[in-house]
Amino acid sequence: EIVLTQSPGTLSLSPGERATLSCRASQSISTSYLAWYQQKPGQAPRLLIYAASSRATGIPDRFSGSGSGTDFTLTISRLEPEDFAVYYCQQYGSFFGQGTKLEIK
Amino acid sequence: QVQLQESGPGLVKPSQTLSLTCTVSGGSISSGSYFWSWIRQPAGKGLEWIGRIYSTGNTQYNPSLKSRVTISVDTSKNQFSLRLISVTAADTAVYYCARVTMALQIAAPNYYYMDVWGKGTTVTVSS
Repeated sequence: EIVLTQSPGTLSLSPGERATLSCRASQSISTSYLAWYQQKPGQAPRLLIYAASSRATGIPDRFSGSGSGTDFTLTISRLEPEDFAVYYCQQYGSFFGQGTKLEIK
Repeated sequence: QVQLQESGPGLVKPSQTLSLTCTVSGGSISSGSYFWSWIRQPAGKGLEWIGRIYSTGNTQYNPSLKSRVTISVDTSKNQFSLRLISVTAADTAVYYCARVTMALQIAAPNYYYMDVWGKGTTVTVSS
């Protein structure tokens, strides 16, 4: 079983700033298998990025994904108030990382 | 577009069986390259993948739950179901169903991602 470790656990930033979230896999995985989700309180998760770098339908271009092998990154170029949420990475449509909470500083 | 809706009892007694159903609307559960998954989330915690099923009945489970979980599909009703036996308070959570798209690629591994989610249903295990 491949374990995904996300860092940091909590990220405190202000609107307009750039956010960089990390997802590290315990062994190398194909970029095809890596996805990112956003979850707001009381809501189901929403797909942001699939195949490590492809934006899902309707996702703003301030969200971008990158990485390969064991290290993957989700970047939000300029934070909007609605971006403060919890973010999860996932591999192979199955196991998730433990999440990064993006909070307003 | 495709929508998913979870249903089932909100309260289950310890040692009993948790049973949930996910109804797929707006599309056939048998069409396309999709898996149908269950995920849960205890209050204040992260997402835990439970398992998934293909329309043919092929299943994959989280090893940590495998001994207690069964996922099944009923293509005639366009539904898939979760059964979790011998529940304890640790099984209290919001349970989500989701569609996993397996996007076929040429000369590369297929893409896998959960693109459609149900709203979730809260299940409490308590006497």
